[in-house]
Amino acid sequence: GDSVTQMEGPVTLSEEAFLTINCTYTATGYPSLFWYVQYPGEGLQLLLKATKADDKGSNKGFEATYRKETTSFHLEKGSVQVSDSAVYFCALSGTASKLTFGTGTRLQVTL
Amino acid sequence: GAVVSQHPSRVICKSGTSVKIECRSLDFQATTMFWYRQFPKQSLMLMATSNEGSKATYEQGVEKDKFLINHASLTLSTLTVTSAHPEDSSFYICSARLPGGGTGELFFGEGSRLTVL
Repeated sequence: GDSVTQMEGPVTLSEEAFLTINCTYTATGYPSLFWYVQYPGEGLQLLLKATKADDKGSNKGFEATYRKETTSFHLEKGSVQVSDSAVYFCALSGTASKLTFGTGTRLQVTL
Repeated sequence: GAVVSQHPSRVICKSGTSVKIECRSLDFQATTMFWYRQFPKQSLMLMATSNEGSKATYEQGVEKDKFLINHASLTLSTLTVTSAHPEDSSFYICSARLPGGGTGELFFGEGSRLTVL
C-alpha cells in the first residue's frame, strides 16, 4: 500500500538557517504529493503541492520538488523564521483517493 | 475558497456523556469528508470517511458505535463521541475534498480538542 516516510523530529534551527525536511514515499502509479503545516493548536493547512514528476511546489519561501526517480519530495527553505515553528506533514494522494500522511516533523526555530 | 470549519474548538465533558463535533464546508459542497484523530506525538490517524447520504466507512480498529458519524447534507458532517471516557481525549480534525477531487488535496478544519474528565 501507499506510505510516506518523514525524518524524525524535532528539528531545531536558528533563525535564518537553511531547512531541509526529508520525505520519501511508496505508491503505485503517479500520486500527487503535498506538504501540510500545522501551527500549535490549529488544524492542518496546505503549504504546497506537486501533481507530477519534476513539478516544483512553492509557497511562503518553502519549496519541494517531485522526484520520481528517488521517490522523494523534500521540503526546503533558505532562511527560516521563528514564525515557521510548526509541525510539517508530507502526504500523498494515491489511487485509493485517500490522503496518506507521514508522521510529521516538528520544527523549532530559535532566535 | 475551500474553507472547512469545525465547532466547537474545545470541549470538556464528564466521563459517560456524549459529545458532538460539527464539520462544515463553508464555500463548497463536500460529498465526502474525512475524520482524523491526532495523538499527542502528532501522528494523524484516519478514523472514517463520511459519505453524504450513506453510512460512513470506518478504518480498521475504530469503533463505529463509539464514534458515530452522520453526513446529512452536502456541507455538514458530525462526529459524536458516545459515552466518552478519558482515553477518548484527543484532537479531532475533519477535512474535505473539493467536488470532483481537485488535485487530491484535503482542506482541513481547525480541529476540536476534546477533554474527558
